[in-house]
Amino acid sequence: NAGVTQTPKFQVLKTGQSMTLQCAQDMNHNSMYWYRQDPGMGLRLIYYSASEGTTDKGEVPNGYNVSRLNKREFSLRLESAAPSQTSVYFCASSDLFGAGVVDTQYFGPGTRLTVL
Amino acid sequence: AQTVTQSQPEMSVQEAETVTLSCTYDTSENNYYLFWYKQPPSRQMILVIRQEAYKQQNATENRFSVNFQKAAKSFSLKISDSQLGDTAMYFCASGYSTLTFGKGTMLLVSP
Repeated sequence: NAGVTQTPKFQVLKTGQSMTLQCAQDMNHNSMYWYRQDPGMGLRLIYYSASEGTTDKGEVPNGYNVSRLNKREFSLRLESAAPSQTSVYFCASSDLFGAGVVDTQYFGPGTRLTVL
Repeated sequence: AQTVTQSQPEMSVQEAETVTLSCTYDTSENNYYLFWYKQPPSRQMILVIRQEAYKQQNATENRFSVNFQKAAKSFSLKISDSQLGDTAMYFCASGYSTLTFGKGTMLLVSP
């Protein structure tokens, strides 16, 4: 039982390059999330998927796209990387209760991305 | 939009002492959860404790307990018998369908 896995762990890009961060969970959770963490800013939600087949914008979606490939996998794509996207990226998953209230989120180990 | 405020950027405590980390939040929801997460230098986000807003009783997990004041929208974390391994960044989070995180409190436990 691996929980939430993310690949890669580290990545360096040049401005304008594209890349996809991969996330998978084996806890049969319905909901998945992408966050970015910058110094002094806590975690900010980029995009989330409340259930398979749905995606929604979070607080900071500009410059990103997501795909909920299936119930297990949720990818984050940077189409044209910018230095402002240098950050640590976390994927998380959780269940939602019947009324749609988010339960405990379980996090992957993070990806440190540097854009030069 | 929800807001979560952690007013203490850094705190220090000595081993075996007790420390309290503060958190206030703002929400218009009646039903929600509150969380404290710990992030040690390894970067992994680890759940410390969870509180259901509709429960009056404060949550406890071993040395960790919360003081949940719903009317005041306050959710502080008390760590008893602090250990060196408690050194980490601590994040408070609140939400309904998604979570909003505070900016964190860096806790340093010294011998």
